[in-house]
Amino acid sequence: DSGVTQTPKHLITATGQRVTLRCSPRSGDLSVYWYQQSLDQGLQFLIQYYNGEERAKGNILERFSAQQFPDLHSELNLSSLELGDSALYFCASSATRTGTQYFGPGTRLLVL
Amino acid sequence: KNEVEQSPQNLTAQEGEFITINCSYSVGISALHWLQQHPGGGIVSLFMLSSGKKKHGRLIATINIQEKHSSLHITASHPRDSAVYICAVRSGGGGATNKLIFGTGTLLAVQP
Repeated sequence: DSGVTQTPKHLITATGQRVTLRCSPRSGDLSVYWYQQSLDQGLQFLIQYYNGEERAKGNILERFSAQQFPDLHSELNLSSLELGDSALYFCASSATRTGTQYFGPGTRLLVL
Repeated sequence: KNEVEQSPQNLTAQEGEFITINCSYSVGISALHWLQQHPGGGIVSLFMLSSGKKKHGRLIATINIQEKHSSLHITASHPRDSAVYICAVRSGGGGATNKLIFGTGTLLAVQP
């Protein structure tokens, strides 16, 4: 158990819908990362937050947004969902901006 | 061409064999990670290294910065080592970002 929690574990929704994925980092970790893992693209970095502020952005679509709250939990919002958004979404956390990352169990999103 | 290349893509070994997985990268990095992804999907960080060699139990990771190459070795392999092993590099200057670029992974199956 990495200490990082993600909810929900599974999510099935329809095209055009909006969903919110939630991540609670390990106790004391200030940095949160979001990743997408799809069959055709593999693992891709989406975005990093550190102590509430955006630190780095990767291949995150404009339909996706994220934020980190004062209690350090983070949410990833996916809107106008398309079939191709079906993937595993991982959250990870680290104590510092560049330290070892600890991964959550992931949220499996299926868009029908 | 991917910025992070792994070889082999698939590897089957007999229990007890010595295993090597290779990772080559083409970008400047500040650190390299080895991750393990179990069949259920969970990701565990095995090593983060920026030079030399690290050892943890039966796992050894090495990196050659000049050659832009890293290897992950598993000694006395066991069926429970069966998983996908993923190499990821942290790009950019140290401290600025923790964005990871991932290889496509090596699927390892250790047969009893």
